Formats: sequence, structure tokens, C-alpha cells
Amino acid sequence: ILNVEQSPQSLHVQEGDSTNFTCSFPSSNFYALHWYRWETAKSPEALFVMTLNGDEKKKGRISATLNTKEGYSYLYIKGSQPEDSATYLCAFISNFGNEKLTFGTGTRLTIIP
Amino acid sequence: DVKVTQSSRYLVKRTGEKVFLECVQDMDHENMFWYRQDPGLGLRLIYFSYDVKMKEKGDIPEGYSVSREKKERFSLILESASTNQTSMYLCASSLSRPYDEQYFGPGTRLTVT
Repeated sequence: ILNVEQSPQSLHVQEGDSTNFTCSFPSSNFYALHWYRWETAKSPEALFVMTLNGDEKKKGRISATLNTKEGYSYLYIKGSQPEDSATYLCAFISNFGNEKLTFGTGTRLTIIP
Repeated sequence: DVKVTQSSRYLVKRTGEKVFLECVQDMDHENMFWYRQDPGLGLRLIYFSYDVKMKEKGDIPEGYSVSREKKERFSLILESASTNQTSMYLCASSLSRPYDEQYFGPGTRLTVT
């Protein structure tokens, strides 16, 4: 089983501040990396699908970068708002084997008004 | 909008019962997945299917089976429920390629007593 780690496990951020967190994954046999946001009592929703080294994706105040050679991705949130409170999951796909997603345990983000 | 629905939000079953969890997607997606979510462990893949009547084991298939007789429906079966199968079960679907983003259902919280 592949090892996908996210840090920190949880984070409290003041409203208006910017924040970032990390997803680490195996640097060999990279195929793709996903980021999902999972709000309480809702379904996980895809934020980004990243496939190329050096990829940078942006959706509103949220952006992500990818470094496949060293095996990490950063998710950034600029000017945090209460609605950003959620668990953020990353998931790695290897091109070795049956190409399924392996999820990290997530970063739980709480925005303090 | 892609919609993934699951048959129940909450389910309570007794040890030894046969349990069926149903998942239906309405966007003609090729791929369907069953995960379970336990505290501190992240989403873990139980089974997935890339086509009708096709299934592949995920990371934790023991104690489970699946059925995909129609493209839109993917069922998870607990042949003889046990207390260690108490968990949140999430179904997901994706378009066709292994790295396509996944769309999740609302989850079924199963308690086995």
C-alpha cells in the first residue's frame, strides 16, 4: 500500500489570514494527484486534478502546486473565509499497478471568525 | 450536475446479517468505487469497477463483495456483517480515465451491533 501523508493534521486559522498545507507521496511512478474538499455533512468535492510536474492550478482563492520529482504538493488558501472550514484530502495515483487513488488522512482546517 | 446517490444515510444492522449498500450515478460514468472512512485512517478503497460486470479488489476487500449489473448502479455487499465493519461508506464515480476526478455520494453510516 502506497504511503500518502498530509500535514498538518489540523489547523486553526484566523479569518482573513492565508494558509497552506502539504501532501507528500511517492516520487516514483507518478500518474496523478487529486485534491478534494470535504465539508461536514457533505460529500467530498474535487478541487484539482494535477498530472504534470510543475503544475499550478487555481480556483478562486485556492491554489495548488505539484512537485513530482520530490513527491509533494502544496495547497494554498488566500484570505481564509469561514466557508473554507473543511477537511482537505489529497489522493495519489501511481502508474504502476491498477491506477487507483490512495488517499491521505486529510488536513482539517477551521477558520476562526 | 453529476449526482451520486446512496440508498441510506444511516443503517443499523445486527452481526451476521447480510447487508446491501446501493449506489446510483446519473452521468453515464464508466468507473465506480466503494470506500470506507474511519477516524485517523483516511478513505480506503474496498472495491472498484471500470465497466459493467467487472470488478477489482481495492486495498481492503476482505468481508465484502460487489455487484455491477448495470452501468449506473454499483452495490456493496457485506455477506455476514461484523462489528468491525461499522464505518462510513462512500460511493464514488468518475468518467472514464483512471485519473478523472471522482464524484462522491453522501455516504452511509453503518452501525453493526
